Amino acid sequence: GQQVMQIPQYQHVQEGEDFTTYCNSSTTLSNIQWYKQRPGGHPVFLIQLVKSGEVKKQKRLTFQFGEAKKNSSLHITATQTTDVGTYFCAGGTGANNLFFGTGTRLTVIP
Amino acid sequence: SQTIHQWPATLVQPVGSPLSLECTVEGTSNPNLYWYRQAAGRGLQLLFYSVGIGQISSEVPQNLSASRPQDRQFILSSKKLLLSDSGFYLCAWTHNEKLFFGSGTQLSVL
Repeated sequence: GQQVMQIPQYQHVQEGEDFTTYCNSSTTLSNIQWYKQRPGGHPVFLIQLVKSGEVKKQKRLTFQFGEAKKNSSLHITATQTTDVGTYFCAGGTGANNLFFGTGTRLTVIP
Repeated sequence: SQTIHQWPATLVQPVGSPLSLECTVEGTSNPNLYWYRQAAGRGLQLLFYSVGIGQISSEVPQNLSASRPQDRQFILSSKKLLLSDSGFYLCAWTHNEKLFFGSGTQLSVL
């Protein structure tokens, strides 16, 4: 069955350092989505990528979809304490078969 | 605007007791609705989804069931809870393939 792997599982960074999480699928995806879950909260939609090689930016966050549409990354430049949380990728074809990665829990040390 | 309500926020139940978690969506008609479970420190597992009243699809065989008695209401149930049913339960709906989650229910089965 389809699997979406995400690494690393945990990441501790000093405030101001960069952070990257990687997502890999065993099959080709039609789209990839990213969600952020703050501690004690629920996942919140960040972005969706659809095109091969697509790159999107949201302020300090850069999202990339691989050329083969089987991998994706989220890069945060100059992390802040507000970036703390768990970042999930989710890939698939429509939400009915959206496969979530295991998430990367980011801790930012002030 | 659309809103999703989920209750209760926390629940402690003994093993063997029944369960009923309720989710309602407002501001939209005929939404696709979902129940996810998140074990501690892990990713999101899709349990059930529904594309309409009385239409339930189960993704994982388990001790739980779901029902959709009304267009905007989605209920997660169990007749007898197991210890392994503990976790964070999230209801969600989709708009343009993006998932919007409720605030979640933290269930502890003791």
